[in-house]
Amino acid sequence: EAQVTQNPRYLITVTGKKLTVTCSQNMNHEYMSWYRQDPGLGLRQIYYSMNVEVTDKGDVPEGYKVSRKEKRNFPLILESPSPNQTSLYFCASRAGGLFNEQFFGPGTRLTVL
Amino acid sequence: GQQVMQIPQYQHVQEGEDFTTYCNSSTTLSNIQWYKQRPGGHPVFLIQLVKSGEVKKQKRLTFQFGEAKKNSSLHITATQTTDVGTYFCAGPGRFGAGTRLTVKP
Repeated sequence: EAQVTQNPRYLITVTGKKLTVTCSQNMNHEYMSWYRQDPGLGLRQIYYSMNVEVTDKGDVPEGYKVSRKEKRNFPLILESPSPNQTSLYFCASRAGGLFNEQFFGPGTRLTVL
Repeated sequence: GQQVMQIPQYQHVQEGEDFTTYCNSSTTLSNIQWYKQRPGGHPVFLIQLVKSGEVKKQKRLTFQFGEAKKNSSLHITATQTTDVGTYFCAGPGRFGAGTRLTVKP
């Protein structure tokens, strides 16, 4: 089954404790991205990757890091989480062109205390 | 940079009433996509519009792309409880804030 998976689905952590949210897709998609969703603000792009070893900042990259060492994986790293990073996070992927639909993972609800 | 504005933010309707959400961009869009997110779920692709003035239909849903390719709308005829969710428009790399639709049976 074609899908995007994220782990963990839920996470409660404390300020400053490094964490990684994994994202994996099995559709051989070139493009992957991370979004955060906050009430009233919709989906805001954090980082995206056009292909292996190619990443770029989205609209809200501060406090986040990503890597793309393999085509299928695109982890999101929070080196020193803060309470304002409490949010619902979605990973998404699509085939290369802009005109292709994005497939979203199930989401990761992160709470930073 | 490109902004995609979506209104209204919320809409509550009685089942059977129509619903429309509007999306406006500050710049011309090469394409626009629409997604639906059910409560507790993740966004799911509905449709893409590419051509100026394009109109597409999916059963009770009608999607339009403006002549200037700066605005789009999604219209649902005779809403049902299964239509509940948040509808997002998306230009390349940028999503609108979404319209949350609730339907009273």
